[in-house]
Amino acid sequence: QVQLVESGGGVVQPGRSLRLSCAASGFTFSRDAMHWVRQAPGKGLEWVAVISYDESNKGYADSVKGRFTISRDTSRNTVYLQMNSLRAEDTAVYYCAKDRAVTGRLGMDVWGQGTTVTVSS
Amino acid sequence: DIVMTQSPLSLPVAPGEPASISCRSSQSLLHSNGDNYLHWYLQRPGQSPQLLIYLASNRASGVPDRFSGSGSGTDFTLKISRVEAEDVGVYYCMEPLHSYTFGPGTKLEIK
Repeated sequence: QVQLVESGGGVVQPGRSLRLSCAASGFTFSRDAMHWVRQAPGKGLEWVAVISYDESNKGYADSVKGRFTISRDTSRNTVYLQMNSLRAEDTAVYYCAKDRAVTGRLGMDVWGQGTTVTVSS
Repeated sequence: DIVMTQSPLSLPVAPGEPASISCRSSQSLLHSNGDNYLHWYLQRPGQSPQLLIYLASNRASGVPDRFSGSGSGTDFTLKISRVEAEDVGVYYCMEPLHSYTFGPGTKLEIK
């Protein structure tokens, strides 16, 4: 079945780095844009980043621009989120989501279960 | 920056009764191609979000037809014709046209 499984979360000190992974299965990974969305404890959803099907276009929320990098490996059916210079306000559950289209603007129709990132000293 | 607002933020509804959620955008979401770039998501308690409605009025795969979306430009509405227990959760509107901004969410609970 169509599935996204995130991994790589954990507890990290401020200023350090972490890389999240999202393994996709059950659909043609190379055809659709992919997103990362996060949710701080008790808060709403915040979009983080998007990558087009062919990696030609990437977009980031202002809150993470210059610190986070989204990438994908079609050979591994995996999308990544490299998070550098982490701050306490980056603490959240991070969800990976597939878009309905190559452009990343037609709706996130498959979501992972999320991976928790806690930034604390 | 674009601002998405939703009302109400809390919505108690009795089973079988209709429900309506409003979403307003500070900028138009009407694209030159005629589509309104506004999506609705539901996050049930303890679960990941799911797509309900895309491009303002199109139900996602598997979404019951009691859910409907409407609106254009800056004003949008999600309607549930008859609320069921499984509809409990937080409903978010989201615009993917400018900066992928989510609304604050509307928490629907059963009376």
